[in-house]
Amino acid sequence: DTAVSQTPKYLVTQMGNDKSIKCEQNLGHDTMYWYKQDSKKFLKIMFSYNNKELIINETVPNRFSPKSPDKAHLNLHINSLELGDSAVYFCASSHWQDSNNEQFFGPGTRLTVL
Amino acid sequence: DAKTTQPNSMESNEEEPVHLPCNHSTISGTDYIHWYRQLPSQGPEYVIHGLTSNVNNRMASLAIAEDRKSSTLILHRATLRDAAVYYCILRDEGGGSEKLVFGKGTKLTVNP
Repeated sequence: DTAVSQTPKYLVTQMGNDKSIKCEQNLGHDTMYWYKQDSKKFLKIMFSYNNKELIINETVPNRFSPKSPDKAHLNLHINSLELGDSAVYFCASSHWQDSNNEQFFGPGTRLTVL
Repeated sequence: DAKTTQPNSMESNEEEPVHLPCNHSTISGTDYIHWYRQLPSQGPEYVIHGLTSNVNNRMASLAIAEDRKSSTLILHRATLRDAAVYYCILRDEGGGSEKLVFGKGTKLTVNP
């Protein structure tokens, strides 16, 4: 009964490839996020969706395209992968109207670009 | 986003209290103080948050200075499982922005 799940957990690929990371939450939340944690361990927001609508897009290259087919899913597609894309990607979800607005994070997807 | 300052690292012994400080001298009146922690090889998890008054929950306590320019996360009895990076984050609940802006955090080491 995992709350926020991500697949795959590990992803190793060559430069120039296109890959996708999937995220699903079963918490009934209406808002989902993608964060990137680089090799220096800095965690930064990339995107946020509320009710399938993009509400935050933090200066991310347009090679990154999030897609939210429904409120429970937020997938991240990356085109033309570069070495600098190597990082751990975390998905998170929350309920917009929750006074705590506590965000629940997934276990992360470690992407390695060779 | 208002900025927070935390020590890079702290060390504690098991079963002793731990006080993790955070300075946020530019905090605005609508900023809430949130704490998250990230255990090794896991995603961040919510710990506690508050606005003005001290807060307690099953994980920790949050002590907020009267001028709100600093706060302290208190773990009453540290366990080995509490070894993690702790992040102090300010969030403007009135601004409609729901992102979390993580700083470097404090890496807590708990010694057996």
